[in-house]
Amino acid sequence: EPEVTQTPSHQVTQMGQEVILRCVPISNHLYFYWYRQILGQKVEFLVSFYNNEISEKSEIFDDQFSVERPDGSNFTLKIRSTKLEDSAMYFCASRPTGGNGYTFGSGTRLTVV
Amino acid sequence: SQQGEEDPQALSIQEGENATMNCSYKTSINNLQWYRQNSGRGLVHLILIRSNEREKHSGRLRVTLDTSKKSSSLLITASRAADTASYFCATDEGSGNTPLVFGKGTRLSVIA
Repeated sequence: EPEVTQTPSHQVTQMGQEVILRCVPISNHLYFYWYRQILGQKVEFLVSFYNNEISEKSEIFDDQFSVERPDGSNFTLKIRSTKLEDSAMYFCASRPTGGNGYTFGSGTRLTVV
Repeated sequence: SQQGEEDPQALSIQEGENATMNCSYKTSINNLQWYRQNSGRGLVHLILIRSNEREKHSGRLRVTLDTSKKSSSLLITASRAADTASYFCATDEGSGNTPLVFGKGTRLSVIA
């Protein structure tokens, strides 16, 4: 069964450093999403991406965040200057056009120290 | 806005018992989905119920949807210790890129 792949599974970074979280969505899916989950809390929407541009973003997705689809297969989330409160599990998801079926990746656990 | 609020927040049952988790939401939806998450792990899609459906089954899972009350329930029958996880409902308004909105989840513990 097709999967959404996320790398790395766990990243530890110093506060103020930039991190890039990577995702490979399912190949025929056209909508991509990033969500995050702070430990013990709900899964929160960050951003959606369609047709090579951001289609919707939440108030969490401020100027320190950016997304990119650099090569037609990868979908990345960049956090420019990490803060302690960015520590969370980050999930990538994709879904096909006209379909309701979201597929989530297994997540990247980001720890900012 | 808050959407997809589950209750109870935590549920502890004996193996073999049934577990029922509820979800309430506020806006109109196209569908509602239930996900499972083992501690510290990824989200696993369990079942999707569309707004024109009232009940859906998948193995030991039974989901109901009452759009007049804006609520859904997830029933796990004959629970097993391996069902221990957090369960989240997520609503999809179905309009363009409107994202899934997750609730806070129910932590289910099944005691062997």
